Amino acid sequence: AQRVTQPEKLLSVFKGAPVELKCNYSYSGSPELFWYVQYSRQRLQLLLRHISRESIKGFTADLNKGETSFHLKKPFAQEEDSAMYYCALRENAGNMLTFGGGTRLMVKP
Amino acid sequence: NAGVTQTPKFRVLKTGQSMTLLCAQDMNHEYMYWYRQDPGMGLRLIHYSVGEGTTAKGEVPDGYNVSRLKKQNFLLGLESAAPSQTSVYFCASTDREYEQYFGPGTRLTVT
Repeated sequence: AQRVTQPEKLLSVFKGAPVELKCNYSYSGSPELFWYVQYSRQRLQLLLRHISRESIKGFTADLNKGETSFHLKKPFAQEEDSAMYYCALRENAGNMLTFGGGTRLMVKP
Repeated sequence: NAGVTQTPKFRVLKTGQSMTLLCAQDMNHEYMYWYRQDPGMGLRLIHYSVGEGTTAKGEVPDGYNVSRLKKQNFLLGLESAAPSQTSVYFCASTDREYEQYFGPGTRLTVT
């Protein structure tokens, strides 16, 4: 069985502060991890995935297999980053995603 | 391309009523999914389909049925709605690539 945990339901920071949204997973195989984002009144969309190792909108995430974590980080938060963020895991051979409970990020001016 | 569309956007049902949610995609994707989104619980998979004419149960299938008669459409049915089915429903599709493309959601309230 696979499980994705996002321990914070709400994270509130001031503009310009660093941000870290936590994601922990449990899976016995080789997972693929993703971060999806849902801005207000918009549909859910892919933000980044661990395989690409890229930075999107200033966000990065590193897969730590030892700690089974895939935390999302940004050094300087912007107001437009306010959104709902979901961590998701995909089995290596499948096309199904298991989502975490989500973290709402609020960036205050 | 419209991507993934969902009909209707909002609906209010009374307990025991039935309805069908329609999901359509114009990307020729093989895989389609229905999720429900509830506060604090993230998105949970209801049913999914790996191709035309095939469907399978996800994590929370009870009380729902689905059909995939055409590749571009994936229907979610509630035969006898219950208040516990009040939720926001999202459809998604993908091909064999990694990204799932989501629809705008349907907000359903069951009174």
